Amino acid sequence: SQQGEEDPQALSIQEGENATMNCSYKTSINNLQWYRQNSGRGLVHLILIRSNEREKHSGRLRVTLDTSKKSSSLLITASRAADTASYFCATDGGSTLGRLYFGRGTQLTVWP
Amino acid sequence: SQTIHQWPATLVQPVGSPLSLECTVEGTSNPNLYWYRQAAGRGLQLLFYSVGIGQISSEVPQNLSASRPQDRQFILSSKKLLLSDSGFYLCAWTLAGGQFFGPGTRLTVL
Repeated sequence: SQQGEEDPQALSIQEGENATMNCSYKTSINNLQWYRQNSGRGLVHLILIRSNEREKHSGRLRVTLDTSKKSSSLLITASRAADTASYFCATDGGSTLGRLYFGRGTQLTVWP
Repeated sequence: SQTIHQWPATLVQPVGSPLSLECTVEGTSNPNLYWYRQAAGRGLQLLFYSVGIGQISSEVPQNLSASRPQDRQFILSSKKLLLSDSGFYLCAWTLAGGQFFGPGTRLTVL
């Protein structure tokens, strides 16, 4: 399978704590993307990291990519209750056609 | 700016009935377009993608079909729905900065 696989499946933390989610994949990639999905809603694009990048920041988000280990991590610092959502990583499987392969996601719950 | 629309937002259909979900994009030309399905509690599965008018590629064999009659229009169809077609259907398109999704259609087949 070319799917990304997120770990853990569920994560529960208190507001103010950091949340770290991991993603592993099996094929070569051109880029890896992270998405957020609130319950019953569409996907919101968070960040794209290219295969030649090792780290990327966007606000309270920090994404790392280790292509030698075929893994990525998403760190949310100083989490808020509003960060409660499912988070998905998606890879392109090395294709340039734009097809994405998703994992099953990490369900993050941030308690106030 | 670019925008992607999907409708309807919610749909309840009986088994055996036809289906037509529509996706349109604004603010760009000749986009790559994608249909995904998300089963309850699962990640997204790519169903179809299109790189241009009339060009459709299917990722998995299934009860669904797709068409792209216009540059910015992508339609997902079925002649006879099955119970297993229930799910959350998302249309997406690709820009240099990533792939972006529409609001989705929640389909329940009874």
